[in-house]
Amino acid sequence: IAGITQAPTSQILAAGRRMTLRCTQDMRHNAMYWYRQDLGLGLRLIHYSNTAGTTGKGEVPDGYSVSRANTDDFPLTLASAVPSQTSVYFCASSLSPAVHHEKLFFGSGTQLSVL
Amino acid sequence: AQKITQTQPGMFVQEKEAVTLDCTYDTSDQSYGLFWYKQPSSGEMIFLIYQGSYDEQNATEGRYSLNFQKARKSANLVISASQLGDSAMYFCAMREVNNNDMRFGAGTRLTVKP
Repeated sequence: IAGITQAPTSQILAAGRRMTLRCTQDMRHNAMYWYRQDLGLGLRLIHYSNTAGTTGKGEVPDGYSVSRANTDDFPLTLASAVPSQTSVYFCASSLSPAVHHEKLFFGSGTQLSVL
Repeated sequence: AQKITQTQPGMFVQEKEAVTLDCTYDTSDQSYGLFWYKQPSSGEMIFLIYQGSYDEQNATEGRYSLNFQKARKSANLVISASQLGDSAMYFCAMREVNNNDMRFGAGTRLTVKP
C-alpha cells in the first residue's frame, strides 16, 4: 500500500541523547514535511523539503535538523533531546511544494517522550 | 500570529444529528486553500475536505460539507447524520500561495453520543 512509513512508532529517550526519526514515502512526492503535534497547539511545521537536496525551516525548527538525500527519505534528527521535545511527530508529503490546493498525506506518527 | 482559530475545544452531538465545527482564519492572500482533517483515537491524520478561496460553491464530500464564508474568513465543517465513528479530533488548516507551511488550528474534539 502506497504511503508514508514512520519509525519508530514510539520512543522513550533520556534527555541529552541523540535521536533520529525515520520517514519514507513511496508516492514519489516532491515535497516532504515534519510536524509536531502538541495539545492545544495543533500541528506546527518543524522543517520541510521541496525537493531532494533542499531543506527549509518551518515555524519551530530549533533543536531539530533534517536531510533529504533522495526523494523517498526525510529523516528528522534531535541532536540533544530536551523534555520540551516530548511530542507526537508527523511526517507528511505532497506532490508539489507550496501549492495552496494540494493536501498533505501523513504518516502514522511517532510518539516521543524525553525524560 | 495564530492564523487558524478553532474556538471549540470539545463538542458533543447526538447520533444521527448534524454538527458544525467552527473555524476562522487570517490571511492577506487572495488565493489559498482550506482543509479539514480528522484524527481518530488511533492517531492517523485523515483528509476530509478541501475548499479553494476562489471556489464559488461550498465543498461537499459525502456527509461532510464546508460552510465557506469568505468575507467573514470562516470555513466551518458540517457533519450531517453523525455516527459513532465520527468521534475524533478535527483540525482545520490553511495553505497560502507559495507558502511551504500548512497552518493548523488547535483542533476540536467531537464526541458522538448514542
